[in-house]
Amino acid sequence: SQQGEEDPQALSIQEGENATMNCSYKTSINNLQWYRQNSGRGLVHLILIRSNEREKHSGRLRVTLDTSKKSSSLLITASRAADTASYFCAPIIDMRFGAGTRLTVKP
Amino acid sequence: GAVVSQHPSRVICKSGTSVKIECRSLDFQATTMFWYRQFPKKSLMLMATSNEGSKATYEQGVEKDKFLINHASLTLSTLTVTSAHPEDSSFYICSARDAGTGGSQPQHFGDGTRLSIL
Repeated sequence: SQQGEEDPQALSIQEGENATMNCSYKTSINNLQWYRQNSGRGLVHLILIRSNEREKHSGRLRVTLDTSKKSSSLLITASRAADTASYFCAPIIDMRFGAGTRLTVKP
Repeated sequence: GAVVSQHPSRVICKSGTSVKIECRSLDFQATTMFWYRQFPKKSLMLMATSNEGSKATYEQGVEKDKFLINHASLTLSTLTVTSAHPEDSSFYICSARDAGTGGSQPQHFGDGTRLSIL
């Protein structure tokens, strides 16, 4: 069964807007990670957040983690057309992915 | 940074052919590698966990005899699709984790292999 489940499944925004994606997982975790996949390519690691962290930043990325709700969110600020991709989350202990969020950023 | 090389990137072959896909960790050792399959516009489906020096652990519904996995060294795992048929056409992706990190660091992915069976 899939561990990470992303929401929404698809998101379309204009360049410059912020994009927020959510992720829910089923089991207890130690770390949660977010990945990005461009069409026809492998996954690229974006950010890892540990279970004792509530928020983490990396450039235009902001990730939050709520272990009580078993959920995480990824915020991309000031989006660019190059951010167009699919985004996935997964607990590090169990590398099963959900359907992902397909983000389209229109120029 | 950690690099995973997957080869070949694309394969087109006739039905009945067996196809081998290699996954190498270039600058780290990986006791565990993962093999995924992805259909167009769908998520990655975990097929199996490849363990160095031992048998792979397959996910439910994945045929062990169809998808042979060998993890003979700390830097190489191979997936062989035996007697491939058109329904095996898909995008296959591997990932690896640095053995020296105690499982606390992220997976690193290869660029995938697009397999097309005619």
